[in-house]
Amino acid sequence: DIVMTQSPFSLAVSEGEMVTINCKSSQSLLSSGNQKNYLAWYQQKPGQSPKLLIYYASTRQSGVPDRFIGSGSGTDFTLTISDVQAEDLADYYCLQHYSYPLTFGSGTKLEIK
Amino acid sequence: EVQLVETGGGLVQPGRSLKLSCVASGFTFNNYWMSWTRQAPGKGLEWVASITNSGGSTYYPDSVKGRFTISRDNAQNTLYLQMNSLRSEDTATYYCTRGMDGWGQGVMVTVSS
Repeated sequence: DIVMTQSPFSLAVSEGEMVTINCKSSQSLLSSGNQKNYLAWYQQKPGQSPKLLIYYASTRQSGVPDRFIGSGSGTDFTLTISDVQAEDLADYYCLQHYSYPLTFGSGTKLEIK
Repeated sequence: EVQLVETGGGLVQPGRSLKLSCVASGFTFNNYWMSWTRQAPGKGLEWVASITNSGGSTYYPDSVKGRFTISRDNAQNTLYLQMNSLRSEDTATYYCTRGMDGWGQGVMVTVSS
């Protein structure tokens, strides 16, 4: 099974600051066939269902603000949120869908100071 | 607009069975793989099962393999999750997902005597 190690567990920032959340996979998520990384990022606001932010490691889902940026390849991935807004208060998860069983990172709780 | 509405949750005793349903609308159901993902209270996300668009193949993690069965009725735009031999650790909110991009609102399953 692919293990997803996500960090940090939590972080607190002020509005307007930038945050980075990291996800490391125990094996490469890069497909040799299409050169795509099978890594997605989700945002879960309190009391809501998760929402897809980023897929293929760096492609923003339609309607997601451009302050959410996904990067990385192979085994190391980052979600960067620039100019954090109060509405970004949420838990964030990475997901590898390169192989079954699909596995999520443990989550990062973003708090706004 | 993608809509996924889960039903069938509730309180069930350990060892008993429960069947969840998810009615889909707003997209061509039989074009998409579908999945179930769960979240225990206060915990992270755990993938539970996936099924191909035709229903010909299914996938499970070891934690539910042999106890849970995912199925679909493409004529009725409905996804199912049959859960047998339920355990206390199966207590969670269960989400129906389109691939891994669209999520329902979730349904709570509590396994307790």
